[in-house]
Amino acid sequence: RKEVEQDPGPFNVPEGATVAFNCTYSNSASQSFFWYRQDCRKEPKLLMSVYSSGNEDGRFTAQLNRASQYISLLIRDSKLSDSATYLCVVNPDTGGFKTIFGAGTRLFVKA
Amino acid sequence: EPEVTQTPSHQVTQMGQEVILRCVPISNHLYFYWYRQILGQKVEFLVSFYNNEISEKSEIFDDQFSVERPDGSNFTLKIRSTKLEDSAMYFCASSSRDTQYEQYFGPGTRLTVT
Repeated sequence: RKEVEQDPGPFNVPEGATVAFNCTYSNSASQSFFWYRQDCRKEPKLLMSVYSSGNEDGRFTAQLNRASQYISLLIRDSKLSDSATYLCVVNPDTGGFKTIFGAGTRLFVKA
Repeated sequence: EPEVTQTPSHQVTQMGQEVILRCVPISNHLYFYWYRQILGQKVEFLVSFYNNEISEKSEIFDDQFSVERPDGSNFTLKIRSTKLEDSAMYFCASSSRDTQYEQYFGPGTRLTVT
């Protein structure tokens, strides 16, 4: 099983749609979880941290299910500018700040 | 807004040559990282650095690689004898004491080994 696994994508959605990304992780001791976005040939940019209670930032909602080792990201009212690759990121709590990135899910939002 | 910077943006080198990639992390950050991303593949962790020493490294980070914080601002990645398969984008990242895992990335250095 891969350490961090994401929906393969790509997702093609119209503007205004709601889209959900899923991610699973293999190390049950993992403590910190994040979503990053990466535009083509650019650096990853932190989108949001994922907390146990779930958290929301505008149109974005992240949730964590520790029992199922599952993380999700929901984007409401998609904009053209949301087109990017969304990366699920996990810190497996090895004590040394190792960070594991998923392969990413590509999102295309079309007018 | 403070940002991580990296130089050069693109480095072309011949196989067997040494390269040094440079990064200036955000000034009050204490944790530093290097990643690589081979074209079309996922971002891969190389090494984390804290308190002037490596805190963790991946299997990729073998004896050909080294990191250094030579002064209060720069953070470097050295590849001693480059191979064709070292061709990739190399990203530097940093994070603060309070939010250790919330990492801010530089724009990357594209390394091409010929």
